[in-house]
Amino acid sequence: IAGITQAPTSQILAAGRRMTLRCTQDMRHNAMYWYRQDLGLGLRLIHYSNTAGTTGKGEVPDGYSVSRANTDDFPLTLASAVPSQTSVYFCASSEADSTDTQYFGPGTRLTVL
Amino acid sequence: GQNIDQPTEMTATEGAIVQINCTYQTSGFNGLFWYQQHAGEAPTFLSYNVLDGLEEKGRFSSFLSRSKGYSYLLLKELQMKDSASYLCAVRDRDYQLIWGAGTKLIIKP
Repeated sequence: IAGITQAPTSQILAAGRRMTLRCTQDMRHNAMYWYRQDLGLGLRLIHYSNTAGTTGKGEVPDGYSVSRANTDDFPLTLASAVPSQTSVYFCASSEADSTDTQYFGPGTRLTVL
Repeated sequence: GQNIDQPTEMTATEGAIVQINCTYQTSGFNGLFWYQQHAGEAPTFLSYNVLDGLEEKGRFSSFLSRSKGYSYLLLKELQMKDSASYLCAVRDRDYQLIWGAGTKLIIKP
């Protein structure tokens, strides 16, 4: 693989169910991010990790949790999904260098009914 | 609060030039990014400005004025494949990216 992969590509989920979105990168980037993108709104940061073993809260963290056990993987978990979490979720990574350009995965389209 | 403003939608003709503006009000400034996002796809990096002035990269150029809180993305010799959304993002004093809602650019033949 090259870059960032996300799984699943899309998912329909019943409200109240638990769901983990997977994200893996092979660029050895230190920093990783989870965003949600909703129509008419900018990308909103959910959680981030500056390096393996550390995580931080973004703008909209409620209802989501993350872990960063190693450099490559950064899963996002919805403990009990609600309809307002219907969105497109993007994982991104960056080298945390001077420009710190973020590179995005292909996204997961999640529908919570 | 922090705010990034971009026009919602713009239309231009194939072969022409279009300028997409972005104004920002953020707590601190540590760089401005432009990304391109085709429908149903991930955002891809276009340009980065941290100093005032124009950065040129092929058909695309990006301009920054920090004193005015203003940037624009200039696309020349428009092609149909340039139909996409263009996202402006500013890195604030905490090095978090604040994103605009994006400008949908429609190219007509």
